[in-house]
Parts: sequence; structure tokens; C-alpha cells
Amino acid sequence: GQNIDQPTEMTATEGAIVQINCTYQTSGFNGLFWYQQHAGEAPTFLSYNVLDGLEEKGRFSSFLSRSKGYSYLLLKELQMKDSASYLCAVRDLTGANNLFFGTGTRLTVIP
Amino acid sequence: GAVVSQHPSRVICKSGTSVKIECRSLDFQATTMFWYRQFPKKSLMLMATSNEGSKATYEQGVEKDKFLINHASLTLSTLTVTSAHPEDSSFYICSASQLRGPRSNEQFFGPGTRLTVL
Repeated sequence: GQNIDQPTEMTATEGAIVQINCTYQTSGFNGLFWYQQHAGEAPTFLSYNVLDGLEEKGRFSSFLSRSKGYSYLLLKELQMKDSASYLCAVRDLTGANNLFFGTGTRLTVIP
Repeated sequence: GAVVSQHPSRVICKSGTSVKIECRSLDFQATTMFWYRQFPKKSLMLMATSNEGSKATYEQGVEKDKFLINHASLTLSTLTVTSAHPEDSSFYICSASQLRGPRSNEQFFGPGTRLTVL
């Protein structure tokens, strides 16, 4: 089975840096995804990690440690529009590319 | 590229009726399509996975006779909620992935369908 944990809510200040953690326990691992989701909308892809280390893409970076079952999403230079839910999802080893999502972290950016 | 559409975006129906939701991949062939359900302030829960031309694989606890999934072509999958009840009210999201190509790792999500059963 899969068990994916994230903090439920976080608050950060505009212009600051925030780190959203995700820990997972899965029966098989084939990559970890981070998605952003605004209320009432579908998730949008942010990042993908399958090997250990840091992946950087503009203001967003994602880190993975497979041995620790741990990932984080780092958001720099926070903007008000970054207020959203951030979903950590793990892909299993079946050929279907199934994704299993954590509960999501609701980030509120304040002025 | 990799655009997925859903129709309708919003539907309100009476209890006991059936509702069909369509999911289309507009510019790629989706070998696999996924259906998720999301309750307010909760994360996405995978309901079922379907491959074109074969029966869907349902997650534990999802009634296959209630949630009928058809994946008749490489660009279209449908989810029919049969005899809908108020507890079926939710946000239904589909996604699609392709077997090959530079983005074969990803699932591309549709915009979602909000179902309200009165």
C-alpha cells in the first residue's frame, strides 16, 4: 500500500521562501511528483523526481531522498498567486503509471 | 501540447439519475486514462485506471457497477455515475498519459467536473 504524509496547512509571507515536506511509504516507487492546485481547478504539474537530489525550475525546486522516503518542494520569492494547495504524489511500479496523492498542503501567502 | 478536456464542467442532477462525464485528450493519444474523485479540502483519490479497449481496473472500495468507465478510443474515456445520490456529489477529475514520448512519465489532468446531486 501507499502512505503519503504532508502538513495540512502552511502560511508564509510574500517574498519569503517556504519548504513543503512530504514523506512516503510505498510498496513500490517509480518517481515522485509535485502538483499545484487552485481551489476548484485541476492540478498542474510542477516537478518530477525519480533520482536522489535537487531539481530546480525557476522559483520552484524539488528534492528527493529515496532512502529516507522524503521529498520537499521549495518555493522562493513567494507571490500572492502562489496561495494554493500543493500535492505530493508517488507513482507506483505497475505499468499503468498510477499516482497516489498525499492529502495536500494548503499554502496561504500573506502580504 | 498534452491538453485534456472534460465535459461537462459542472452538472446538477436529481437523486436516482445517471450522469455521464467525458474526458478527451485533444492533441495526443492517451493509452491510459485515470479517474479521480476529490471531496472538499481533501486530496485526489484514484478511482480507476483504464486502458484503451480493455476493462477498467478499480481501486479498492470503488463500486464498478456504480461508476461505469468506458475507454473506447485513444482519445476518449467516459465515467458514468449510475443512480447518483447526494453522497456522490464531488469533484471528478480525469487524467491521461501516453505510452511513449518525452513526457510519458506524466499524467495530464483535465479541468474537472463538479457534480452536485440533489
